Amino acid sequence: KAGVTQTPRYLIKTRGQQVTLSCSPISGHRSVSWYQQTPGQGLQFLFEYFSETQRNKGNFPGRFSGRQFSNSRSEMNVSTLELGDSALYLCASSFGGSGAGGTQYFGPGTRLLVL
Amino acid sequence: EDKVVQSPLSLVVHEGDTVTLNCSYEVTNFRSLLWYKQEKKAPTFLFMLTSSGIEKKSGRLSSILDKKELFSILNITATQTGDSAIYLCAVGMNYGGSQGNLIFGKGTKLSVKP
Repeated sequence: KAGVTQTPRYLIKTRGQQVTLSCSPISGHRSVSWYQQTPGQGLQFLFEYFSETQRNKGNFPGRFSGRQFSNSRSEMNVSTLELGDSALYLCASSFGGSGAGGTQYFGPGTRLLVL
Repeated sequence: EDKVVQSPLSLVVHEGDTVTLNCSYEVTNFRSLLWYKQEKKAPTFLFMLTSSGIEKKSGRLSSILDKKELFSILNITATQTGDSAIYLCAVGMNYGGSQGNLIFGKGTKLSVKP
């Protein structure tokens, strides 16, 4: 079974721009969660999508948004980029059908650098 | 607020040593505890624990959960340089929320020297 894939792997943007990241979950997985990882804060939850609906949302500003398509692929968008948005963005997939707390499998991440 | 605390934050050992990593938690609706290993990229899944006192093993790694005292340990015996990584502990909740379905600790950075 193919693992979770994320594109692009690396990205350099400047302040004020916007960016879209993509995640394809493991086949059969319907839940996709997004995390931001920085050295100081560790892994912080952004949002989770299940069956094209946002099921949970973390404590991030509205500049961070996402969506999920009917094939479970997900995208996240960050508008008006700030220097502090530089981070590794990880996507994780799980079956998700029973709700929360199941094993999540991570993609390789997208490393975003904002200049 | 739900939280997961790992200790130590970093650890340096020599090949062949045995290490114990700690994870304690305070959450309102516990469902599972998971361990991940993160090298330079994606965290890779190691164990999921749901029952107290039952050890899970995989090669030189083992883990156990104590739901009464709210902690888990991850043991690595006969460490090798390839064990150098950040080890993440996460607690799965029965429901999601602003912290998500999995709440992560800050991780323990393990460095194994030859």
